[in-house]
Amino acid sequence: GQNIDQPTEMTATEGAIVQINCTYQTSGFNGLFWYQQHAGEAPTFLSYNVLDGLEEKGRFSSFLSRSKGYSYLLLKELQMKDSASYLCAVGNNAGNMLTFGGGTRLMVKP
Amino acid sequence: GAGVSQSPSNKVTEKGKDVELRCDPISGHTALYWYRQSLGQGLEFLIYFQGNSAPDKSGLPSDRFSAERTGGSVSTLTIQRTQQEDSAVYLCASSALGIGTFGSGTRLTVV
Repeated sequence: GQNIDQPTEMTATEGAIVQINCTYQTSGFNGLFWYQQHAGEAPTFLSYNVLDGLEEKGRFSSFLSRSKGYSYLLLKELQMKDSASYLCAVGNNAGNMLTFGGGTRLMVKP
Repeated sequence: GAGVSQSPSNKVTEKGKDVELRCDPISGHTALYWYRQSLGQGLEFLIYFQGNSAPDKSGLPSDRFSAERTGGSVSTLTIQRTQQEDSAVYLCASSALGIGTFGSGTRLTVV
């Protein structure tokens, strides 16, 4: 089975850096995904890690350690529009099924 | 189309009625997922289709819920004898190589 944990809520200041952690336990790991979901909208894909290390994409970076079952999403130079829920999801090698964590609601304050 | 299309976008139904929700995935995507999301909550997995394999129905909350995927493309999620606790946003996603693209969802309200 799959078990994915991430904090429920976080608050950060505009212009700052925030790190959202995700830990997982899974049978048959095949990638760690981060999605962003604004209130009332569908989740949109942010990043994908399948190998250990840091993947950087503009202001967003995602890190994976498979041995520790751990990932984080790093958001730099926070903007008000970054206020959203951030969903960690694990892909299972039994057909690439995605299982989602409960999401972290990030509030960016001026 | 270019994205995942879901219909209807909103559905209000009376308790006890049956509803059908439709998902039209991205062409060529072999994997299709249905999730449910209650207000302020995370995504609850319902059912997963992958190619011609038997679907993973382990997330369906009761036997009132069923889903089909015809011809490996369009999928319908059917909820029979709806209950108020079925009220939620039902999201469909399709994927190739594991990266899922979501539709805009169907907001179901059971009154």
